[in-house]
Amino acid sequence: NAGVTQTPKFQVLKTGQSMTLQCAQDMNHEYMSWYRQDPGMGLRLIHYSVGAGITDQGEVPNGYNVSRSTTEDFPLRLLSAAPSQTSVYFCASSYSRGPGANVLTFGAGSRLTVL
Amino acid sequence: KQEVTQIPAALSVPEGENLVLNCSFTDSAIYNLQWFRQDPGKGLTSLLLIQSSQREQTSGRLNASLDKSSGRSTLYIAASQPGDSATYLCALKGRGGGADGLTFGKGTHLIIQP
Repeated sequence: NAGVTQTPKFQVLKTGQSMTLQCAQDMNHEYMSWYRQDPGMGLRLIHYSVGAGITDQGEVPNGYNVSRSTTEDFPLRLLSAAPSQTSVYFCASSYSRGPGANVLTFGAGSRLTVL
Repeated sequence: KQEVTQIPAALSVPEGENLVLNCSFTDSAIYNLQWFRQDPGKGLTSLLLIQSSQREQTSGRLNASLDKSSGRSTLYIAASQPGDSATYLCALKGRGGGADGLTFGKGTHLIIQP
């Protein structure tokens, strides 16, 4: 099925460990982004990309790295996990970044717990 | 900084009722506003998108309105069904500078009683 695929769905890490959350879309979308969702906080933008080779920071980028080597993939890397990074992470994509009718398509989410 | 507030935080109504969910925002300089639905343990599904030049959008039993001057949007759900039970989020695409992306409200958790 076409859409945004995130893996893994669940992950438990120890403080200081590193890991990568994977995101892939098969809709040829230019724009991809990562959000985190925390109780009582709403979704917040971590990083985004407007095309292969182009990434930029969002509202809460600290502790995360991203890269965009292909149009389809946009992995999110946690370099040294901290308990404050316990959250549900969503990848989202749209045809373009523009302010027009660019409806975001979201993945199912990755629930991360850092002990 | 744009702030988005959704009231009420939770709502429980009997099946068949018409209901209104509210979203207010502090900065009217927006490109568009979207309403999303989120089911437990799932991602977000876009329901309706209203451009800043539009007043409302309709899809089936859903109608969303936008009043930029008052900083308000409403999502109207007609003839509610148990399958409408979910969390509803509104999100804005702002015109101002700063980071990209949408600004989300915290959502309204809706339960439709059979």
